[in-house]
Amino acid sequence: EAQVTQNPRYLITVTGKKLTVTCSQNMNHEYMSWYRQDPGLGLRQIYYSMNVEVTDKGDVPEGYKVSRKEKRNFPLILESPSPNQTSLYFCASSLGVPGLYGYTFGSGTRLTVV
Amino acid sequence: SQQGEEDPQALSIQEGENATMNCSYKTSINNLQWYRQNSGRGLVHLILIRSNEREKHSGRLRVTLDTSKKSSSLLITASRAADTASYFCAPWMDSSYKLIFGSGTRLLVRP
Repeated sequence: EAQVTQNPRYLITVTGKKLTVTCSQNMNHEYMSWYRQDPGLGLRQIYYSMNVEVTDKGDVPEGYKVSRKEKRNFPLILESPSPNQTSLYFCASSLGVPGLYGYTFGSGTRLTVV
Repeated sequence: SQQGEEDPQALSIQEGENATMNCSYKTSINNLQWYRQNSGRGLVHLILIRSNEREKHSGRLRVTLDTSKKSSSLLITASRAADTASYFCAPWMDSSYKLIFGSGTRLLVRP
């Protein structure tokens, strides 16, 4: 089944403890992206990647890192999480630029930082 | 920014009725997409309409685009309880590499 797989689905962590949210897609998509969703603020893009080893900042990149060493994987790294990073996170992939092909989204990761 | 703004923010209808959601945007676009999000889940791509198209259908969905008014509408006919979700529009310009989403319309279909 064609899908974007995020793990974990739920995560509670403490301030400052490094964490990684994994994202993997099995559709050979070129473009991958991370969004966070907060009440009243909608979905905001954190980082995106147009291909292997090519990443760029979205609208809210502060406090996050990403890497794209393989086409299928696009992990999101929080080096020192803070409570304001408590949010619902989505990974998404697209065959090419998402405006032309549309996104396939993962099921989300609900992160709580205490 | 080519972010879309959905209207209304929330909509409650009876099963079997039609639901209409609107999207407005500010700049010229090349196409516009609609997505659905069930509570807490990932968004699902519904339909893409190009700037040279005025109307597009997919099952019970009908999307219109009026580029002169910079607006689009999503009509769901004969709604079902399973259509309860949030709906987002995402306008797109070819010069951009980002797809920006608004805050969505929350649709509740009462059985």
